[in-house]
Amino acid sequence: KAGVTQTPRYLIKTRGQQVTLSCSPISGHRSVSWYQQTPGQGLQFLFEYFSETQRNKGNFPGRFSGRQFSNSRSEMNVSTLELGDSALYLCASSLARGGPGEQYFGPGTRLTVT
Amino acid sequence: AQTVTQSQPEMSVQEAETVTLSCTYDTSESDYYLFWYKQPPSRQMILVIRQEAYKQQNATENRFSVNFQKAAKSFSLKISDSQLGDAAMYFCAYRSARQTSGSRLTFGEGTQLTVNP
Repeated sequence: KAGVTQTPRYLIKTRGQQVTLSCSPISGHRSVSWYQQTPGQGLQFLFEYFSETQRNKGNFPGRFSGRQFSNSRSEMNVSTLELGDSALYLCASSLARGGPGEQYFGPGTRLTVT
Repeated sequence: AQTVTQSQPEMSVQEAETVTLSCTYDTSESDYYLFWYKQPPSRQMILVIRQEAYKQQNATENRFSVNFQKAAKSFSLKISDSQLGDAAMYFCAYRSARQTSGSRLTFGEGTQLTVNP
């Protein structure tokens, strides 16, 4: 069974631009969560999607948004990029929401904002 | 809000020896789940072990085991017979059992483990 895939793996953008990151969950998984990882703030939860609906959102500005498609693939979008948005963005999928079930993480997208 | 604290930014261990990584958390909830994730240089997060708060028995997975002290809000990871492949960043994580929290994980700051040959 294929794992979680994220595209692109690396991205360089300029301040003020916008970016879209993609995540394909493991087949059959319906929950997709996004995390931002930076050296200063560590791993922070961005949002969770389940059945095409955002179910949970972390403490991030409105410039961060996302969506989920009927095949459970998810995209996150960051508009008006700032230097501080440079980070590793991780996507994780699971069969269901919550519980003790494992979240499977993708390899991440490394975003650099210049 | 829940918080997770890992007070050891770095740890090192000799190959074949045992090492314990510490984690404490703060929550007012009684039902939750705790996890240890490993992030090697490839950056791929991998689940090492999980513990359900209502279970008193400490979880074990081969060479990995936890010491879960619910009253003390402590959740340490013990790695026995350390191997070179265990070298990685280790994250402790908390998940609420509340339905509204979904799959959201709250992570600690991480502990960088070095395994010396």
